[in-house]
Amino acid sequence: AQRVTQPEKLLSVFKGAPVELKCNYSYSGSPELFWYVQYSRQRLQLLLRHISRESIKGFTADLNKGETSFHLKKPFAQEEDSAMYYCALSGRETSGSRLTFGEGTQLTVNP
Amino acid sequence: DARVTQTPRHKVTEMGQEVTMRCQPILGHNTVFWYRQTMMQGLELLAYFRNRAPLDDSGMPKDRFSAEMPDATLATLKIQPSEPRDSAVYFCASGLVLSREGNEQFFGPGTRLTVL
Repeated sequence: AQRVTQPEKLLSVFKGAPVELKCNYSYSGSPELFWYVQYSRQRLQLLLRHISRESIKGFTADLNKGETSFHLKKPFAQEEDSAMYYCALSGRETSGSRLTFGEGTQLTVNP
Repeated sequence: DARVTQTPRHKVTEMGQEVTMRCQPILGHNTVFWYRQTMMQGLELLAYFRNRAPLDDSGMPKDRFSAEMPDATLATLKIQPSEPRDSAVYFCASGLVLSREGNEQFFGPGTRLTVL
């Protein structure tokens, strides 16, 4: 079974402060991890995925298989980063399997 | 810039009425997903299709919900009869799923449903 846990429903930081959104997963095989972002009343969009190892909008996330985590980090938060963030997992063994989403973390960056 | 489209964007209806939501996946995508988003439950997968065939609809209340893909360019989600607890935002997403390739899903703008 696949499971994704985002322990914080709400996270509030000040502009310029570092931010870390936590994501832990449970999966017996080889996982593929994603972060999706949803700005206010907009559609979800892919922020980044671990296989591409990119930094998008200053965000990075490293897959830690030992800790089964995929935390999202940004060294200096901006007000425009305020949004809902979803961590998601897909199992690579099954071609085109469904994504399992975490509960989401609402990030608010205060001025 | 290809995008998933959904209609209607907003729907207000009365309890007991039928609701039909439509989704046009990105041309060429072979997988379509229906999600429901609420404050309490977050994102829940309701059903998904591969090459128009239903693969998993275990997330859907079977007695009132039904999902179909009449053709490759249209996916529908119906609720009959609707209930106030069905009020939520319903998202459609599509993806091109290939073996061992990335499983990125592209989301539509959602249908905001309010059942009075």
